[in-house]
Amino acid sequence: DTEVTQTPKHLVMGMTNKKSLKCEQHMGHRAMYWYKQKAKKPPELMFVYSYEKLSINESVPSRFSPECPNSSLLNLHLHALQPEDSALYLCASSQGVAGNQPQHFGDGTRLSIL
Amino acid sequence: QQPVQSPQAVILREGEDAVINCSSSKALYSVHWYRQKHGEAPVFLMILLKGGEQKGHDKISASFNEKKQQSSLYLTASQLSYSGTYFCGTEMGYNNNDMRFGAGTRLTVKP
Repeated sequence: DTEVTQTPKHLVMGMTNKKSLKCEQHMGHRAMYWYKQKAKKPPELMFVYSYEKLSINESVPSRFSPECPNSSLLNLHLHALQPEDSALYLCASSQGVAGNQPQHFGDGTRLSIL
Repeated sequence: QQPVQSPQAVILREGEDAVINCSSSKALYSVHWYRQKHGEAPVFLMILLKGGEQKGHDKISASFNEKKQQSSLYLTASQLSYSGTYFCGTEMGYNNNDMRFGAGTRLTVKP
């Protein structure tokens, strides 16, 4: 079991739907991340939240909208996605923003766009 | 900038050793190592900071050569449970917080 919980585990949606991915951690971590991972590829950084503020947006299309309601929660709102957005979406957290902090990953949400 | 990992894949028998390399063309602050099993989340193994250091974790250890901007992960006397894809992640600065993963090394340990 991981200490970062992601829901749902699987999501199938049409290109016109709106859905949200959720991520929760109760380790008191102050940095949270969204990654996208395609099959047999490494995770690609999408967004970083540091102390509940968006600190990094890796030029992600606006159809992905992150939200950090509080220090334990991270959402990723999805709207009008494309088939190429089908992937495993991983959430991670770390104690702080320093480069010497390990990241703890959730099990991911496997997203399929029809 | 994405670090370069090698080799892409390794097949071992139980008890054999392996080395996985990770290099960058730019100066690094830290190198992280993670292992991801099929269908699971990446799991943190260890971090090495600039200044050149070695770390150990049972039979898995790593080193960071700051002059070469290269880190190596050493798996000794491999076990079946070591199978998975190993990723290195690199950070350029203390507060950059934008870790980039290498392409990964797929390790298969056979009985």
